Amino acid sequence: TQLLEQSPQFLSIQEGENLTVYCNSSSVFSSLQWYRQEPGEGPVLLVTVVTGGEVKKLKRLTFQFGDARKDSSLHITAAQPGDTGLYLCAGAEETSGSRLTFGEGTQLTVNP
Amino acid sequence: NAGVTQTPKFQVLKTGQSMTLQCAQDMNHEYMSWYRQDPGMGLRLIHYSVGAGITDQGEVPNGYNVSRSTTEDFPLRLLSAAPSQTSVYFCASSRGYGPVDTEAFFGQGTRLTVV
Repeated sequence: TQLLEQSPQFLSIQEGENLTVYCNSSSVFSSLQWYRQEPGEGPVLLVTVVTGGEVKKLKRLTFQFGDARKDSSLHITAAQPGDTGLYLCAGAEETSGSRLTFGEGTQLTVNP
Repeated sequence: NAGVTQTPKFQVLKTGQSMTLQCAQDMNHEYMSWYRQDPGMGLRLIHYSVGAGITDQGEVPNGYNVSRSTTEDFPLRLLSAAPSQTSVYFCASSRGYGPVDTEAFFGQGTRLTVV
């Protein structure tokens, strides 16, 4: 199983601050997905990045896939309390396209 | 569309009891999987299926069985519950192979406590 290391594990910031979450692996993924999970719910897909160097934006969220397709980052600009949640990255293995490997998650708390 | 439906939402078992967690999807997805989520460990794959009649083990399969008799249903069986199986269980489905076809749709989860 390919490992995905996610950092930081916990992040508590004030409303209006910027933040970046990292997802790193020594292995190559065919795609990398970011999910957000709220308490008592299942993860919900935010974005999928496929091409090395790809950048996708979702309102104040910017997702980037590393050139070598081994790492990704999630940047949130001007965080709001509604951004609070558990953020998970997941990589689709190149050798077994259907299986996803998940990072440990980043618990983000945005304080008003 | 209901998406992925899991039942029950909560369950308390005594050590040694058996039970089945139900999962159904109405999106005609080929790929289905079961994960467990424990604090600080993300989602770990228990078993998965690439289509009806085909199942395989994931990262943490011990103590669990699955079957896939139809495209829609993918139940997870705990054979003899142990306290180490206390966790939140998620069922997920996706279209299948290909970079974007692996995008997963999750159920709401089952919170299981084994005492």
